[in-house]
Amino acid sequence: AQTVTQSQPEMSVQEAETVTLSCTYDTSESDYYLFWYKQPPSRQMILVIRQEAYKQQNATENRFSVNFQKAAKSFSLKISDSQLGDAAMYFCAYRRPTQGGSEKLVFGKGTKLTVNP
Amino acid sequence: DAGVIQSPRHEVTEMGQEVTLRCKPISGHNSLFWYRQTMMRGLELLIYFNNNVPIDDSGMPEDRFSAKMPNASFSTLKIQPSEPRDSAVYFCASMVGAGGGTGELFFGEGSRLTVL
Repeated sequence: AQTVTQSQPEMSVQEAETVTLSCTYDTSESDYYLFWYKQPPSRQMILVIRQEAYKQQNATENRFSVNFQKAAKSFSLKISDSQLGDAAMYFCAYRRPTQGGSEKLVFGKGTKLTVNP
Repeated sequence: DAGVIQSPRHEVTEMGQEVTLRCKPISGHNSLFWYRQTMMRGLELLIYFNNNVPIDDSGMPEDRFSAKMPNASFSTLKIQPSEPRDSAVYFCASMVGAGGGTGELFFGEGSRLTVL
């Protein structure tokens, strides 16, 4: 079974600084999707960034970027120029590609990010 | 365009009572998921449907839990009888299934259940 591990229960960063959140996963599949979701205090889960395993290029979305190391099964999230609104729980998630049907997302336990002014 | 809609947002009930949580997925999404979130266990998948058919219910804790999806625009998660350990936030999420979409799950705002 696939598992997702986030080894940092909590992280903190100073406003305008850069922070990296770690995620590792275990799978025997060669093709899959990886995601980072953000959950602010409002508890709404919001997609931050996604990566297809077959793509070697790391995904980027404005201040958010990933470091995808397929051989190491590592998928870290870098937040640049941190803002107070980035404070939230961040969840790493894994999903197999679908073959004629849907497939579930497996989530890590989450990392609570605090942004200090 | 409306997102995933869940109701109620908050529910407080007493042990032994029946609880029904409701979800309306995004129009056009053919896959629907029910997740439970607690501090101890994080996000757990309870069950998911594809084209209204339950595909994987291995995460349903026990027979007290049941889920239905009578049509493409509505699903329910029922707990009967409820117990204090069922207290959690229950999320419904939907996405476009295989062959389309980006693989992204769209979540509702969750239903916070407290069982006294």
